[in-house]
Parts: sequence; C-alpha cells; structure tokens
Amino acid sequence: QKEVEQNSGPLSVPEGAIASLNCTYSDRGSQSFFWYRQYSGKSPELIMSIYSNGDKEDGRFTAQLNKASQYVSLLIRDSQPSDSATYLCAVMNTGNQFYFGTGTSLTVIP
Amino acid sequence: KAGVTQTPRYLIKTRGQQVTLSCSPISGHRSVSWYQQTPGQGLQFLFEYFSETQRNKGNFPGRFSGRQFSNSRSEMNVSTLELGDSALYLCASRQGVNYGYTFGSGTRLTVV
Repeated sequence: QKEVEQNSGPLSVPEGAIASLNCTYSDRGSQSFFWYRQYSGKSPELIMSIYSNGDKEDGRFTAQLNKASQYVSLLIRDSQPSDSATYLCAVMNTGNQFYFGTGTSLTVIP
Repeated sequence: KAGVTQTPRYLIKTRGQQVTLSCSPISGHRSVSWYQQTPGQGLQFLFEYFSETQRNKGNFPGRFSGRQFSNSRSEMNVSTLELGDSALYLCASRQGVNYGYTFGSGTRLTVV
C-alpha cells in the first residue's frame, strides 16, 4: 500500500467551476498535510498546509482534513485557466518523513 | 529572502560517470531534502539532512549519497550513472519539522 494515494486524473473543469482534488494516506498517526501545485516544467510550490480536522480556507483554496477517514482534499473555487497544473498531496508521517502522492493533473477549460 | 538555489540547472553525463549536485537552502532552514522526479514515478524521496546528519533515507541504491555542511548547504552525488538516473533532481528546505518544504528549481540530469 502506498503512503499517499491520489487519483491521477486528468481532471477537467470549466472556468468558474469548483475543482475537487482528493488524497488518502496510510499512516493513521500522520499529523501534517500539504498541497503543492506544480506547473509543467517547474518545481512544486506549496499552496496549503493543514494540521487539524476540518476546513482551512485561503482565498479560492480550501483544504479539508478528515483524520478518521485518513482523507485530505483540496477545493478550488471559481477555477481559472491559470489553475491548470498538477496538484500534489504530501503527508508527514509519524516518522517525520514526507511522502508525496503522484499528483492529479487539473485542466481548467475557458 | 532568497529561495532554495540549485546548481547546475542542466547536466548531461555519460553512463558510468559520476555527478555532484549542489543545493543552498533558504537562510535559516536547517532541514534539506532531496527528491528525484520522473514522469513515471513521480516524486521519490532520496534523503533528508538536518544539522549535517542524515535523518532519513529513501529506497535508492548506495550509488546515491549526500551530505550537508555546517552552513546547511547540501550536495548529492550519484556514482556510476545509469540511463535510468535521468530525472529532475529537486532539493527542498524547511524551517522546522511541522513546516512544508520549499523547493528549488531543480537540476535536470540527462544520462546518455
């Protein structure tokens, strides 16, 4: 079983819609969770971090964490073509080691 | 504040050679990690250093090694290069244990 799993997509949404990206993790004791955005040919960029159950909002982005279900999600409201990228979920496990999912490719269609 | 700096940006090496990649973390960041990224495998963890000590190591052969200096700068070395080592090598630093990583622009290594 992989430490972090994501649906690889591709996910396509129309401009202005909500994009929903999901991630599950295997280490129940994990405490820190992150979302990264990676544009083609660029390095990953940290966009959200979440540590407690519930929602955390930052502009058009909302991260959601459910530790009981070992599930993390990222919602992008009012999606823009500039949001088209690969989104990587990262989890820090009980050994303080970072694991990344393989990423979900998102395309926002104008 | 300067970001994570990796040098060189691009490298072309021949099978069997060795290569050294360099990384300067963000000032004040003592934790440095290295990742290999390929289209098929995604981001694969190589190793993490903190205060000159290797704290974690991924599942890579012994040909991959690294070190961290007292100023937190880090290097990774790959010996006896194989064609499959062609990848983007990313260095990342973080402020502390519960913080996310900030990545450098990467070194794209091509082995021919």
